[in-house]
Amino acid sequence: SQQGEEDPQALSIQEGENATMNCSYKTSINNLQWYRQNSGRGLVHLILIRSNEREKHSGRLRVTLDTSKKSSSLLITASRAADTASYFCALYGQNFVFGPGTRLSVLP
Amino acid sequence: GAVVSQHPSWVICKSGTSVKIECRSLDFQATTMFWYRQFPKQSLMLMATSNEGSKATYEQGVEKDKFLINHASLTLSTLTVTSAHPEDSSFYICSARVLNLPEAFFGQGTRLTVV
Repeated sequence: SQQGEEDPQALSIQEGENATMNCSYKTSINNLQWYRQNSGRGLVHLILIRSNEREKHSGRLRVTLDTSKKSSSLLITASRAADTASYFCALYGQNFVFGPGTRLSVLP
Repeated sequence: GAVVSQHPSWVICKSGTSVKIECRSLDFQATTMFWYRQFPKQSLMLMATSNEGSKATYEQGVEKDKFLINHASLTLSTLTVTSAHPEDSSFYICSARVLNLPEAFFGQGTRLTVV
C-alpha cells in the first residue's frame, strides 16, 4: 500500500515549544505534501516537497524528505495554541493518499 | 491559489434516500478528481479517482454501485451516495488535480448524516 504511516499519533506540547511529526511510506512518490485539518473542517495545504528535494521551509514550518529511508518530517517551531490541529502527510504517486495523521495539541 | 468548491457543506438525509455531492473547480480545469471519506478522528481514505470523460477507478472495498461518481466535465465531478444508511454518515472531501501538476486542491468537505 502507498499509504503513509505517521508518528506520533498524538502530540501534546506547551506553547513556544517545537513540534516534530514524522511520516514514513513504502513505495516511490513524486512528491510529499503536508496538510492541516482543524476539527471537522476541510484541509489546508501547508507545504509540498518534491522527491528530488531534501528540505523546505515556509514560515515556522520546516519539512525534510529522505527518499532513501522513505520518510519525511514536519517541524513546527515556536508553536502557538492556534497550531492545535491534525496534521497529515499526503503521498503523491499514482494517486493521492494520506497518512493516518498526528493530532497536535498546543497548550497555552 | 486554485479554488475547489464543494456543495453542500452539510446534509442530513433519511435512510434509503440518495444524496448528491458536487465538486467544482472554479478557476481551473481538473483532469482528475479524487473522492475521500473521513470518519471521526481518522484519516482521509481514498474512495475513488475519476478522470474526465471516463469511468471512475474505485479503491478496494468501495462499492461502485453505492457511491456513484460522475466526472462529466473538466470542472465538475459528483458523488452520489445511493440508498444511504446511517453507517454512510461521514465527512466526504473531494480534491482536483490539473494534468501534470503535483498538487491537488481540496474542497471544504461535506458532512453527511444519515438518520
